Amino acid sequence: EDKVVQSPLSLVVHEGDTVTLNCSYEVTNFRSLLWYKQEKKAPTFLFMLTSSGIEKKSGRLSSILDKKELSSILNITATQTGDSAIYLCAVGTNSGAGSYQLTFGKGTKLSVIP
Amino acid sequence: DAGVIQSPRHEVTEMGQEVTLRCKPISGHDYLFWYRQTMMRGLELLIYFNNNVPIDDSGMPEDRFSAKMPNASFSTLKIQPSEPRDSAVYFCASSFWESETQYFGPGTRLLVL
Repeated sequence: EDKVVQSPLSLVVHEGDTVTLNCSYEVTNFRSLLWYKQEKKAPTFLFMLTSSGIEKKSGRLSSILDKKELSSILNITATQTGDSAIYLCAVGTNSGAGSYQLTFGKGTKLSVIP
Repeated sequence: DAGVIQSPRHEVTEMGQEVTLRCKPISGHDYLFWYRQTMMRGLELLIYFNNNVPIDDSGMPEDRFSAKMPNASFSTLKIQPSEPRDSAVYFCASSFWESETQYFGPGTRLLVL
């Protein structure tokens, strides 16, 4: 059974701090790793990673995949209260039918306090 | 683009009743996914379709759950009969064939009393 584990489960930081969220996985037929941000509504897409060692950046957020360690990290620098959300990691795999599916971790709840 | 559209946004029903959730994917997307999210279990994939054909329904919890996609622009998830443990937020998501970025709808919050 495919497994995706995120840590920590929750995190409280002050505005301006830098945070690192972790995601590790055990899956068959790995294809990609995705990060999502979920506030009080539906998840919104942040990054998709397929190649090991290549960092993806978007403003204060960045992420990198380590296929050897079967893990990924999501960094957020100079955190703001608007970064408060649940961050979900998902791993895409090739299914037997030639299509793909995503297995989600339980998420990391980030709270940024002023 | 309007994004993925789901209806209703909220549903309150009594145990034993039939519940039908609806989804309209983004136009041109070939994949459609149904998820359920609860505090205890997180986000779970229930079933997904490729070009209107169900590909994997191994996440569907029981025979009380069924999903259809009669055409490229519409899908339903039905629960009959509903039970209190079915209370959750149900998301629909869609994606292109060559892209794995799934775009989620706003979700349907279901409460079964």
